Amino acid sequence: QQQVKQSPQSLIVQKGGISIINCAYENTAFDYFPWYQQFPGKGPALLIAIRPDVSEKKEGRFTISFNKSAKQFSLHIMDSQPGDSATYFCAAVLNSGGSNYKLTFGKGTLLTVNP
Amino acid sequence: DGGITQSPKYLFRKEGQNVTLSCEQNLNHDAMYWYRQDPGQGLRLIYYSQIVNDFQKGDIAEGYSVSREKKESFPLTVTSAQKNPTAFYLCASREGGRSGANVLTFGAGSRLTVL
Repeated sequence: QQQVKQSPQSLIVQKGGISIINCAYENTAFDYFPWYQQFPGKGPALLIAIRPDVSEKKEGRFTISFNKSAKQFSLHIMDSQPGDSATYFCAAVLNSGGSNYKLTFGKGTLLTVNP
Repeated sequence: DGGITQSPKYLFRKEGQNVTLSCEQNLNHDAMYWYRQDPGQGLRLIYYSQIVNDFQKGDIAEGYSVSREKKESFPLTVTSAQKNPTAFYLCASREGGRSGANVLTFGAGSRLTVL
């Protein structure tokens, strides 16, 4: 059972364009939603994260939009740059503030930004 | 620099052999995790440990074993029982507890290839 569904699998965007990656979840008990960025041969690194009581969070060119009623959230990368080319993972956390913490990842989106 | 060190970065193994992947962290984090990454599959949880001398199975624990004898170390053994061990293995840690951080910090990964 895939608890976090991510789309698209791959995305090609021109430099300066907007990249949009979408995720959907089923379990309403998830209470924290991070996004990770991974470059080839490296481990994922936290990019930006949001709690379900917030509808939008922006950090520089990266924005998370969160729709609690639809159980969907998305990552928007404005003014996409070739250096943004990487694999992006959405994730959802259970028990973010407790000892029974569990993080579930989406399957990832390979973003290519053409110069 | 504080972080997570995984070794070796690349490892080749013959079928039928056990192999141990090292993970060491100097972040003083309580919780540690092992994930497996396959193309198009995202990151799947193998084992995790919330505290020294305690660990739990994740979603795909069969064919793997771990130990947590020290806070800073969480080695993963890939046994001969693991049917398809070729993959990229990622270790992560988290501060843990109710006041701990909500996100994982990842190492750079170990790529295991079974010949």
